[in-house]
Amino acid sequence: QQQVKQSPQSLIVQKGGISIINCAYENTAFDYFPWYQQFPGKGPALLIAIRPDVSEKKEGRFTISFNKSAKQFSLHIMDSQPGDSATYFCAAVTRDTGRRALTFGSGTRLQVQP
Amino acid sequence: GAGVSQSPSNKVTEKGKDVELRCDPISGHTALYWYRQRLGQGLEFLIYFQGNSAPDKSGLPSDRFSAERTGESVSTLTIQRTQQEDSAVYLCASRLAGGRTEAFFGQGTRLTVV
Repeated sequence: QQQVKQSPQSLIVQKGGISIINCAYENTAFDYFPWYQQFPGKGPALLIAIRPDVSEKKEGRFTISFNKSAKQFSLHIMDSQPGDSATYFCAAVTRDTGRRALTFGSGTRLQVQP
Repeated sequence: GAGVSQSPSNKVTEKGKDVELRCDPISGHTALYWYRQRLGQGLEFLIYFQGNSAPDKSGLPSDRFSAERTGESVSTLTIQRTQQEDSAVYLCASRLAGGRTEAFFGQGTRLTVV
């Protein structure tokens, strides 16, 4: 129940295209869903996050879509650029203080070709 | 400090030696996580500290691995009798627990066992 399943494992997109990464969860206690972006040699950094009381959150070219009933959420990168090439991790957070408070997906390696 | 600080940034050690990795979390963050990330792989949970509660050590891969945290401040991850398979980047993250808060990562320590 603690898993967050992420797909695809890797993704190749042409410059200007839309990159879509999907995540699904089981634990209904999760109530906050951040996405992290990691460049080679760096630690993951927060990209965008959503609460389950909204179905979509947009920040620039990055959009999170959230489907509470399906327990799924996704990251859309519009007009993908070579500089977006990185590994992306979804995560899910609960309000409690146990370890299960924070669970990461397995990551998606995105490559945007010029 | 402004962010999570890890030291050293790089460590090369001989097989069989002990190593100690350090993490300085963001001030006031009660929750602290250690992750291991092998080359091109996802985040492997190692250990979690939350305030004065007993740490969750369920992710430690063997008894050669241990970690300590002094109150809500510095944490050290110790690997005894290092093996080549211990080579990885070790990431530390901290967050405010008990709410909809994201984790902030350090840059990691790249450990190479030769």
